[in-house]
Amino acid sequence: AQSVSQHNHHVILSEAASLELGCNYSYGGTVNLFWYVQYPGQHLQLLLKYFSGDPLVKGIKGFEAEFIKSKFSFNLRKPSVQWSDTAEYFCAVRPDNAGNMLTFGGGTRLMVKP
Amino acid sequence: KAGVTQTPRYLIKTRGQQVTLSCSPISGHRSVSWYQQTPGQGLQFLFEYFSETQRNKGNFPGRFSGRQFSNSRSEMNVSTLELGDSALYLCASSLETGGLGGYTFGSGTRLTVV
Repeated sequence: AQSVSQHNHHVILSEAASLELGCNYSYGGTVNLFWYVQYPGQHLQLLLKYFSGDPLVKGIKGFEAEFIKSKFSFNLRKPSVQWSDTAEYFCAVRPDNAGNMLTFGGGTRLMVKP
Repeated sequence: KAGVTQTPRYLIKTRGQQVTLSCSPISGHRSVSWYQQTPGQGLQFLFEYFSETQRNKGNFPGRFSGRQFSNSRSEMNVSTLELGDSALYLCASSLETGGLGGYTFGSGTRLTVV
């Protein structure tokens, strides 16, 4: 079975700092990859997704992620964070033959200090 | 357009009871997936329904069941509740199963078992 690891459980940054959240997965076949964000008191929202093509994916709110197949990684980045980026971030994997079954990582709580 | 609607928002039940949660997907979406979110286990896939058929099932006991109606609305049922079933139950809808679209999550039903 596939698994997803997010090694940073808590991250604290100051505004304007750069962000990189790690995500590694274990699965030998073709996967689709997602990053979701959950702002305090709100539902999960899709930040970006990767299915195929250019491994550098741009999402909403200035986020981007890079799929490195050889490293089984899909790290999330943002050049300059804002206080409003304070949230929990989830990486998710969907094997190509798994319908809509997502396997989520444990999440990373990001706090941005103003 | 209206998002994914889950009812009720909050629920308190006693051990041994059963509970039914409801999810109305975005209009036109035919796939509904259910997830359990807890602080200890994170987000875990329960099952997916597409066109009234269960397409995938996660690693949960048989006490957890679901169904989907012809209008794509879905219900999940948990029988013989245990304290460990206390969680946020999330529903996600998408146009199709295994497709290129993302998933839209509802705000969830928070179940507390006492």
